[in-house]
Amino acid sequence: EIVMTQSPATLSVSPGERASLSCRASQSIDSHLAWYQLKPGQAPRLLIHGASTRATGVPDRFSGSGSGTDFTLTISSLQSEDFAVFYCQQSHNWPRTFGQGTKVEIK
Amino acid sequence: QLQLQESGPGLVKPSQTLSLTCSVSGDSLRSGSRYWSWIRQPAGKGLEWIGHIYTTGSTTYNPSLKSRVTMSVDMSKNHFSLELSSVTAADTAVYYCARDIGVIDCSGSACYTVDWFDPWGQGTLVTVSS
Repeated sequence: EIVMTQSPATLSVSPGERASLSCRASQSIDSHLAWYQLKPGQAPRLLIHGASTRATGVPDRFSGSGSGTDFTLTISSLQSEDFAVFYCQQSHNWPRTFGQGTKVEIK
Repeated sequence: QLQLQESGPGLVKPSQTLSLTCSVSGDSLRSGSRYWSWIRQPAGKGLEWIGHIYTTGSTTYNPSLKSRVTMSVDMSKNHFSLELSSVTAADTAVYYCARDIGVIDCSGSACYTVDWFDPWGQGTLVTVSS
């Protein structure tokens, strides 16, 4: 099973600032990575697939990069609605696995 | 617009079977061949992929749960279902259903079936307790 490790566990950021979230795979997963945003009481939202392709309707302040084992989700200028928990997910091998999440909180 | 909604008992006794249904609206399960997944999140923990079912009925389960999981699809009711047997407190979690978008990626040295989940249902909390 591929282990996905996210860092940091919590990121404190002021609105308008840039946030960079890291996701590392225990072995190469090419670009087979997706990012999701979870807020309490809401359906999780797909942000990025294929490591860097934004999902339909996702603002361009969200961007994904990386390949192999190291990936980054960048939020260029945090808006109030962006504070949430973010998860990465690999689909290179079975079973599909997720990282433990990074909580982005208001500083 | 495709929407998914989980439903089922919020409380299940230990050793019993957890049964959940995911109702699909805005699209018909008959309209195309797709994968449909179940994912769960125990309180304070990360997400765990439980498995998925294809509209033909073929399934792939997480090996960690494989011996206890059964998924099915009911085209006539436009929903798919999850059963998890012999539950314990460790199965207490928010359970999500999601459409599983799968594509074949042959851009590297080999071909892979890659997928991502979109959209998701809002999730339903299932507590295992006597």
